Amino acid sequence: DQQVKQNSPSLSVQEGRISILNCDYTNSMFDYFLWYKKYPAEGPTFLISISSIKDKNEDGRFTVFLNKSAKHLSLHIVPSQPGDSAVYFCAASVGAQKLVFGQGTRLTINP
Amino acid sequence: DTGVSQDPRHKITKRGQNVTFRCDPISEHNRLYWYRQTLGQGPEFLTYFQNEAQLEKSRLLSDRFSAERPKGSFSTLEIQRTEQGDSAMYLCASSSTQGRTPETQYFGPGTRLLVL
Repeated sequence: DQQVKQNSPSLSVQEGRISILNCDYTNSMFDYFLWYKKYPAEGPTFLISISSIKDKNEDGRFTVFLNKSAKHLSLHIVPSQPGDSAVYFCAASVGAQKLVFGQGTRLTINP
Repeated sequence: DTGVSQDPRHKITKRGQNVTFRCDPISEHNRLYWYRQTLGQGPEFLTYFQNEAQLEKSRLLSDRFSAERPKGSFSTLEIQRTEQGDSAMYLCASSSTQGRTPETQYFGPGTRLLVL
């Protein structure tokens, strides 16, 4: 039972353009959503998060959008930079407890 | 403020041996989580502690796995009689229920286990 899904295993974007990573979830009890970035052989690094009472949160080049009716969230990175190349995971939780992760999307930024 | 640390970073063992991993959370974080990640998948929850109390265990955590957090600071995860299917990255994370964003977990670098 995959409660959090990232349907695109990979994404390739030109440097300077916008990267959009998508995530769908099935559990309507999720009340907090997070995005993590992961480089090989390292642990996930927290990027940005959003509460279920909001529909948008922005932090510098990163913006997360939440559409509760569609049970969908997205991460926008603009402008994309070569250092953004990594695997991105979305995660969700209920009541600040365990995180449920998607399978990840590998983002490659091309110069 | 040092981050979450894990030791060892890599472990190679033979099937049937026992292994133990350690996690030191961010100081003053009262929650500590263990996850496991296999190739091509996202991290999967194993167990978590609030202070020294183990509050939840996943069904992934068979009876060969045991985790402790004896004084509410560092934690250990032990795997007894390792099997090749235990090969994975074991990740530790911590959070604070007193912080502004108690939902945010901060991860360590992980321990990569290879069972031969």
